[in-house]
Amino acid sequence: DGGITQSPKYLFRKEGQNVTLSCEQNLNHDAMYWYRQDPGQGLRLIYYSQIVNDFQKGDIAEGYSVSREKKESFPLTVTSAQKNPTAFYLCASSPWTGVDNQPQHFGDGTRLSIL
Amino acid sequence: DAKTTQPTSMDCAEGRAANLPCNHSTISGNEYVYWYRQIHSQGPQYIIHGLKNNETNEMASLIITEDRKSSTLILPHATLRDTAVYYCIVRVHNTNAGKSTFGDGTTLTVKP
Repeated sequence: DGGITQSPKYLFRKEGQNVTLSCEQNLNHDAMYWYRQDPGQGLRLIYYSQIVNDFQKGDIAEGYSVSREKKESFPLTVTSAQKNPTAFYLCASSPWTGVDNQPQHFGDGTRLSIL
Repeated sequence: DAKTTQPTSMDCAEGRAANLPCNHSTISGNEYVYWYRQIHSQGPQYIIHGLKNNETNEMASLIITEDRKSSTLILPHATLRDTAVYYCIVRVHNTNAGKSTFGDGTTLTVKP
């Protein structure tokens, strides 16, 4: 089945360590996104990418980095510069047809915790 | 992107219609209204979207006022599995790969 796969589902990190969250999609979507969700709150956009080898900062990009070397993959690195990384991270994708009214499809998220 | 305002929480009896309101008074002419829902600890699920006209699909109906300043998502026969957080967002057409701003949403609790 087509969809978005995020791994791992749960991730633990020691303070001062970088950690990379995986996001893979087989929907042939051009655009991909990373969101952060804190308990009881909505989603905040971290980074997004419209095409391979290109990405833009969202509202809360500080302390995060991304790459988009392949269309189907958009990994997110949470760096040691992110002072409060404990959160639920969601990856999404959508078609980019030039007529931008396509819904986003979401993965089931990765829950990151600091040890 | 325009900001949306939703009630924090709502209850609905099982089998009854659930009507979830959303205000988007600053919406511009090229912004679509989208609805998603999120069941606990899962990724959001797309429900429906519209621009001006009312829309219906197998999951729900979307009613958009004539001035487009508000909308209502209708779940015609709510079930216990419809208990979730419902997000109303507006998104600019044809720009920025459709990045969306998700607010805090409405927590819908369907009760037996």
